[in-house]
Amino acid sequence: EAQVTQNPRYLITVTGKKLTVTCSQNMNHEYMSWYRQDPGLGLRQIYYSMNVEVTDKGDVPEGYKVSRKEKRNFPLILESPSPNQTSLYFCASSLTNSYGSYEQYFGPGTRLTVT
Amino acid sequence: GQQVMQIPQYQHVQEGEDFTTYCNSSTTLSNIQWYKQRPGGHPVFLIQLVKSGEVKKQKRLTFQFGEAKKNSSLHITATQTTDVGTYFCAGGLTNFGNEKLTFGTGTRLTIIP
Repeated sequence: EAQVTQNPRYLITVTGKKLTVTCSQNMNHEYMSWYRQDPGLGLRQIYYSMNVEVTDKGDVPEGYKVSRKEKRNFPLILESPSPNQTSLYFCASSLTNSYGSYEQYFGPGTRLTVT
Repeated sequence: GQQVMQIPQYQHVQEGEDFTTYCNSSTTLSNIQWYKQRPGGHPVFLIQLVKSGEVKKQKRLTFQFGEAKKNSSLHITATQTTDVGTYFCAGGLTNFGNEKLTFGTGTRLTIIP
């Protein structure tokens, strides 16, 4: 089954404790992206990657790191989480066409709480 | 930076009424995508528009991309309870082969049976 998986689905952690949210897709997609969703703010792009070893900042990259060593995986790293990073996080992947990304498939989401 | 504004933020309609959400970008877009998110779910792709003035239809849904490629709309005719959810537009800005995607804040549609 074609899908994007994220782990963990729920996480409660404390300020300053490094954490990684994994994202994996089995559709051989070039484009992968991380978003955070907060009430009233919609989805905001954190980082995106057009292909292996190619990553770029989205609109809200501060406090986050990513890597794209393999095509299927795109982990999101919070080196020192803070309470303002409490949010619902989505990973997404897509093919690309001449206009950019196309039909993003979203993972189920990771609800992160930082106390 | 690029901003994508979406209105209205909320819309409550009687079942059978029409619904429209509008999206405006501060910059010219390479493409615009529309997504639907059901309560508690993840966004699901609806459509991509790439050409100036493009209009696409999917059953009761009509999508438009403005002539200047800076605005877009989604219109639903004769809403049904299955249309409940939040509708997001996402504007693509391509620069040297990299694409940054900026989502609007979404329009939450509720249906009164």
